[in-house]
Amino acid sequence: ILNVEQSPQSLHVQEGDSTNFTCSFPSSNFYALHWYRWETAKSPEALFVMTLNGDEKKKGRISATLNTKEGYSYLYIKGSQPEDSATYLCASSKYSSASKIIFGSGTRLSIRP
Amino acid sequence: GAVVSQHPSWVICKSGTSVKIECRSLDFQATTMFWYRQFPKQSLMLMATSNEGSKATYEQGVEKDKFLINHASLTLSTLTVTSAHPEDSSFYICSARPPGERDTEAFFGQGTRLTVV
Repeated sequence: ILNVEQSPQSLHVQEGDSTNFTCSFPSSNFYALHWYRWETAKSPEALFVMTLNGDEKKKGRISATLNTKEGYSYLYIKGSQPEDSATYLCASSKYSSASKIIFGSGTRLSIRP
Repeated sequence: GAVVSQHPSWVICKSGTSVKIECRSLDFQATTMFWYRQFPKQSLMLMATSNEGSKATYEQGVEKDKFLINHASLTLSTLTVTSAHPEDSSFYICSARPPGERDTEAFFGQGTRLTVV
């Protein structure tokens, strides 16, 4: 994998349902994997920054897992709410904290009331 | 959390003129800042890495003479779109990471919507 890839591109979910999406990234020289939420008319905000293989992080109803050996991460949202509607961006960086952060194309999530 | 401020939030300019966008880290020092551009219905494309006290590192396909980057201090990076044309109309956003641990997040400016007429 040469780039950061996210799927699906968009997702429509009924309020209350749970959902998940995928991020694939280059596993060589891995440094960190970021997840951001980007709401309309706002700046992207970090959800998680993950560095260890097998790591799992949670923030409220949102959680993420990381597999650095195979180069993928999953983001899970439990019991979706209308305020979860946003674009979720995954980003990867290599080598060090000064390295560039490369973003995937994002997953646009819409929650139907 | 840390704050990154970007100015202006929107600008309209005439074709052929130059536009300067500022990105400031308000409560931390950033030796490195990143400039991104968002094309319609696409994600953030990294344009260049701004390095304090040295030349910026541009991504493949980004014209360095077109998009001038200056990182003169540890809290300020500027992006100047020179001789702007309508095809340069886009959303530009900067980000920076506070120095710290490996899992330190990046913080983003508010973004700048550039329209060239």
